[in-house]
Amino acid sequence: DVKVTQSSRYLVKRTGEKVFLECVQDMDHENMFWYRQDPGLGLRLIYFSYDVKMKEKGDIPEGYSVSREKKERFSLILESASTNQTSMYLCASSPTAYEQYFGPGTRLTVT
Amino acid sequence: AQSVTQLGSHVSVSEGALVLLRCNYSSSVPPYLFWYVQYPNQGLQLLLKYTSAATLVKGINGFEAEFKKSETSFHLTKPSAHMSDAAEYFCAVSADSGYALNFGKGTSLLVTP
Repeated sequence: DVKVTQSSRYLVKRTGEKVFLECVQDMDHENMFWYRQDPGLGLRLIYFSYDVKMKEKGDIPEGYSVSREKKERFSLILESASTNQTSMYLCASSPTAYEQYFGPGTRLTVT
Repeated sequence: AQSVTQLGSHVSVSEGALVLLRCNYSSSVPPYLFWYVQYPNQGLQLLLKYTSAATLVKGINGFEAEFKKSETSFHLTKPSAHMSDAAEYFCAVSADSGYALNFGKGTSLLVTP
């Protein structure tokens, strides 16, 4: 069965902190994605990666960076968290196809 | 750029009634189209997908969708709603870059007894 896990379901951080969100998939998928989900805005793509050490900006990369050192792991980094980054963060993976498999999400609150 | 528009941010139906969630797409190339469902406090789960094979696509939990090129639509239907169908539904289309998807803003389905 396909499995995408995210390191935390809920996270509370302070403004200015560096935040790491981890995502791991066990399906040997090439592609991995980070989205943020906000009410009324749907899912917006932050970054994606199609191979180890490769990354591409999505629609809203500002304030975020990513790291993919191993095929199964894709990390989202908030260099200096701000209150407008309070959101639900969803990780997904896919093989060489468009069908994506999602993790359970991390609800991040920045105070 | 490829995009989808979901008509109606909230839809309410009675238990046993037809479910119809609307999605229109814009794409300069033959699209791949998807419907995902999200239950409260969970990630997204794939309901069904259109990948240029049959235009009528059947998915899980009794849902189906029909690809209509002339109407640029991919509406989601279910003949009889169950209480357990209450959730957020997202339509998505293949994006320009890599294997990314562009998602609609979502439709929240409420099922009343």
